[in-house]
Amino acid sequence: AAGVIQSPRHLIKEKRETATLKCYPIPRHDTVYWYQQGPGQDPQFLISFYEKMQSDKGSIPDRFSAQQFSDYHSELNMSSLELGDSALYFCASSFLPSGPSYTDTQYFGPGTRLTVL
Amino acid sequence: AQKITQTQPGMFVQEKEAVTLDCTYDTSDPSYGLFWYKQPSSGEMIFLIYQGSYDQQNATEGRYSLNFQKARKSANLVISASQLGDSAMYFCAMREEGNSGAGSYQLTFGKGTKLSVIP
Repeated sequence: AAGVIQSPRHLIKEKRETATLKCYPIPRHDTVYWYQQGPGQDPQFLISFYEKMQSDKGSIPDRFSAQQFSDYHSELNMSSLELGDSALYFCASSFLPSGPSYTDTQYFGPGTRLTVL
Repeated sequence: AQKITQTQPGMFVQEKEAVTLDCTYDTSDPSYGLFWYKQPSSGEMIFLIYQGSYDQQNATEGRYSLNFQKARKSANLVISASQLGDSAMYFCAMREEGNSGAGSYQLTFGKGTKLSVIP
């Protein structure tokens, strides 16, 4: 079965540089989520998109922005990188069926490991 | 207050034995979902099992089962017949309605439990 694809898998940047992370959700999934997982931490929600519109925002710094394109892939843009941005960045996708009892399991990609030097 | 509490930072289990990983949650939303994910040392986040707040029966998926006690707000993961490959970090997570409502069901994670399976 197709899974979530993230690229690149590893990225090394210098402070104050920019980075772009890409995510290709599972086909026919309509929702994309971005999470940040610092070393030894649990994943923290950054931002989500439903049907190409931003649906919710979490603890995402103003230096970060994201969008979802017409083909449903999403990109997370990070500018003025700081040492503290070094983390594992996950993209997850889900399908949101209607009804009071549903399963909207989020399937995670392999993550992009960002190192800021 | 913590929405998801995993009180066991680390656990050891003998190969082929069963182990229970604890998870308690806090929500006032009547409709929510509880998930368990496995994160091996390689870093990927693998979905294991889901329990909806309206589900009458405990969820099961192969060797994984979820002991859901709604009144106590607990959703413990039970792994039967542990294998060496089960050694990993395990996260309990909850899905509630997002801030903006439609199409937003972000997950809130616990701090995780590191499970080590001993041969």
